Amino acid sequence: QLVLTQSPSASASLGASVKLTCTLSSGHSSYAIAWHQQQPEKGPRYLMKLNSDGSHSKGDGIPDRFSGSSSGAERYLTISSLQSEDEADYYCQTWGTGIHVFGTGTKVTVL
Amino acid sequence: EVQLVESGGGLVKPGGSLRLSCAASGFTFSSYSMNWVRQAPGKGLEWVSSISSSSSYIYYADSVKGRFTISRDNAKNSLYLQMNSLRAEDTAVYYCARVSSSSHIFDYWGQGTLVTVSS
Repeated sequence: QLVLTQSPSASASLGASVKLTCTLSSGHSSYAIAWHQQQPEKGPRYLMKLNSDGSHSKGDGIPDRFSGSSSGAERYLTISSLQSEDEADYYCQTWGTGIHVFGTGTKVTVL
Repeated sequence: EVQLVESGGGLVKPGGSLRLSCAASGFTFSSYSMNWVRQAPGKGLEWVSSISSSSSYIYYADSVKGRFTISRDNAKNSLYLQMNSLRAEDTAVYYCARVSSSSHIFDYWGQGTLVTVSS
């Protein structure tokens, strides 16, 4: 079964970095994912597509502070130089035949 | 500029029906697969349904199969979700999302429309 696992929360100080993890279920370690950001009371926003080899392509207007990397079944989103507007929920997303799957989301708090 | 604008949400009684719409602009709508995704209050994102560019391929989450119907009108640049036999657990903000032409990721989202199922 295709499942994405995320930690429920993460925090870091203003100007620091934070690294979020999305883990693919067994047997799906080669899958690409997408990262989406959802600021409070807003719709989601596409950040980037992240491949198993760590290559990634960002959405329109996404700052360089957002980067992605991969290792095995884990997909990472790193936010550098954390700003107040980065306080949001972050979801990973992948797909199979006829199905799309979201992770449970990670809430990022900027201290 | 790509824009997706949902409408049609509201308050409906259990067992009732509602039809959501998503108006698309800023891109060639007929070339893209589209999806509906929902988010219950205080919860995460849940994929609901997908439709290919020509409506040849349609998929549903198990939670809505047999009750919801996705459709599109490429001449009107519009996506629809017909929701029947609504339940309290269908209460959520419903988003439409475009699928990237080069992969299966959702690259643009609407702002959502709230559906509340309550007596």
